[in-house]
Amino acid sequence: DAKTTQPPSMDCAEGRAANLPCNHSTISGNEYVYWYRQIHSQGPQYIIHGLKNNETNEMASLIITEDRKSSTLILPHAMLRDTAVYYCIVRRIYKLSFGAGTTVTVRA
Amino acid sequence: DTGVSQDPRHKITKRGQNVTFRCDPISEHNRLYWYRQTLGQGPEFLTYFQNEAQLEKSRLLSDRFSAERPKGSFSTLEIQRTEQGDSAMYLCASSFWGSAGVPYGENIQYFGAGTRLSVL
Repeated sequence: DAKTTQPPSMDCAEGRAANLPCNHSTISGNEYVYWYRQIHSQGPQYIIHGLKNNETNEMASLIITEDRKSSTLILPHAMLRDTAVYYCIVRRIYKLSFGAGTTVTVRA
Repeated sequence: DTGVSQDPRHKITKRGQNVTFRCDPISEHNRLYWYRQTLGQGPEFLTYFQNEAQLEKSRLLSDRFSAERPKGSFSTLEIQRTEQGDSAMYLCASSFWGSAGVPYGENIQYFGAGTRLSVL
């Protein structure tokens, strides 16, 4: 699976949109972009995934660039409970390969 | 809504003892995965099952580790002769694999809360 690069940490204000970047410049045509998050001491939680098109669900939006070399996860209205480690994963096969992720802290 | 269930949530053991963890997947899911997560790191893949067949084992899974899924439902992960380096969170995930031709990328894995193992 392709490697991903994420900033180690970021802060955002409660109620504002949080934009989490991810670089995956070596992504292949059949590899999906997945986002999970992990709140302290819990298991990873699936957020969203996509192949080429932008995706939106009740939790977040995923914007994938046209060349697919980077993507952005958007939390439209960050809440304190969204404080977590967010993992961007590029996946082709059965397993998920997690990196270090981005620690997102939502501040009141 | 029953998600992936793991038991126990916490386990403290002494070095050299054997431990066993259990995972109950989401009921209709035929694939089950084990991951390990050490402090400050992302989860690392250990092994996975499709129904009762163990299809892949990571090099991280030493001979002291064994996983089973005897009836294609729940799974157990056993660690024999535990070492301090085994201290970690052990995570289980499950997914439904419906048919050939569906891209792996569309196969969402749902995780349990994990079992935290501390080896003294």
